[in-house]
Amino acid sequence: ELKVEQNPLFLSMQEGKNYTIYCNYSTTSDRLYWYRQDPGKSLESLFVLLSNGAVKQEGRLMASLDTKARLSTLHITAAVHDLSATYFCAVDMVAGDMRFGAGTRLTVKP
Amino acid sequence: EAQVTQNPRYLITVTGKKLTVTCSQNMNHEYMSWYRQDPGLGLRQIYYSMNVEVTDKGDVPEGYKVSRKEKRNFPLILESPSPNQTSLYFCASSPASGYNEQFFGPGTRLTVL
Repeated sequence: ELKVEQNPLFLSMQEGKNYTIYCNYSTTSDRLYWYRQDPGKSLESLFVLLSNGAVKQEGRLMASLDTKARLSTLHITAAVHDLSATYFCAVDMVAGDMRFGAGTRLTVKP
Repeated sequence: EAQVTQNPRYLITVTGKKLTVTCSQNMNHEYMSWYRQDPGLGLRQIYYSMNVEVTDKGDVPEGYKVSRKEKRNFPLILESPSPNQTSLYFCASSPASGYNEQFFGPGTRLTVL
């Protein structure tokens, strides 16, 4: 059974600091997605990673995928308050069959 | 405006009373999916559909039914709701599965008493 594990589940950061969120999964897949959810809101897509070694960057966020290690990372650079949200990784097991991690609730404090 | 809509947004019902949550997208997407979100569990996929008349079970399909008679609509049916189906439900769509981000609806908060 596919498991998707995110670490940490809760993260409190100070503005200006760097940190990494990890997403491990237990089966072969080369399709991984990151989503953001603000409190009380729906999910919005951040990154689509479709091959080993894929790296995508948007502003202060950078995501990477290592399919051999079954690991994706979401790196936060110089955090700002606006990045406070819950971040989910999701793995496409077989086309269309999706598994999400439990989410990482990020709080960025001044 | 390109969007995924869900109705109703909030629903309180009683055990055993059949209900349907509608989902519609106006982006001509082939793929649609239903998820439930519970605290500490992330999103869990209930059912998905690769195209019209094609549906498959996700991770937690028990107690739910779906249909895909038209490309734009993907209703979620709870024929005999139970309290353990109290949750926040999201519908999502994408151009095709496997290689595209999903676009999520606003969510439906369901309470079963």
